[in-house]
Amino acid sequence: GQQVMQIPQYQHVQEGEDFTTYCNSSTTLSNIQWYKQRPGGHPVFLIQLVKSGEVKKQKRLTFQFGEAKKNSSLHITATQTTDVGTYFCAGLGGRGSTLGRLYFGRGTQLTVWP
Amino acid sequence: GAVVSQHPSRVICKSGTSVKIECRSLDFQATTMFWYRQFPKKSLMLMATSNEGSKATYEQGVEKDKFLINHASLTLSTLTVTSAHPEDSSFYICSATTDLLGEQYFGPGTRLTVT
Repeated sequence: GQQVMQIPQYQHVQEGEDFTTYCNSSTTLSNIQWYKQRPGGHPVFLIQLVKSGEVKKQKRLTFQFGEAKKNSSLHITATQTTDVGTYFCAGLGGRGSTLGRLYFGRGTQLTVWP
Repeated sequence: GAVVSQHPSRVICKSGTSVKIECRSLDFQATTMFWYRQFPKKSLMLMATSNEGSKATYEQGVEKDKFLINHASLTLSTLTVTSAHPEDSSFYICSATTDLLGEQYFGPGTRLTVT
């Protein structure tokens, strides 16, 4: 299946600092999705990026999809304690045998100190 | 809307027994359901793709005879871990979707412990 790498694995920040997590794929992605998993919880969909070079914002969260559709990033401005959790990127298979399959990155576990 | 439930949320079983986990889409009909496995502090590993009325498609390395998947209706898929062993202990999560190119809705997961 597709390989999706995500860094860093852990990030500890003080409340108010910014946070960024990066994803890279070995192959061109049909689209990329981002999920957040709170401690003890299940993944919750945040956003989907489809177009090359796409940038989407959700309040303090900014999502980018690379021009080659092989990398993506999530940036959180001025983190809050409610941002705590693990952020996963997932590449979506777009055709053939991979259609609909999500290939998750390892995730970045964000800890925010008050 | 788009709620997915899983039952049970936690299960402890003895080695050699079988365990069935249910995944239900509560307020929509899912064309496809997926089963994932997640180890502590690790990513989600796709195990299989399940479509109503057809055989599940398993990812490479996943034993289909050990992890039996049945997709009886558009709202229910079940995963049976047969002859469970301690190494099968994990967090099993299902997801459901109506659009293979769109968002997946995840269930709350089932924590399986095999003693």
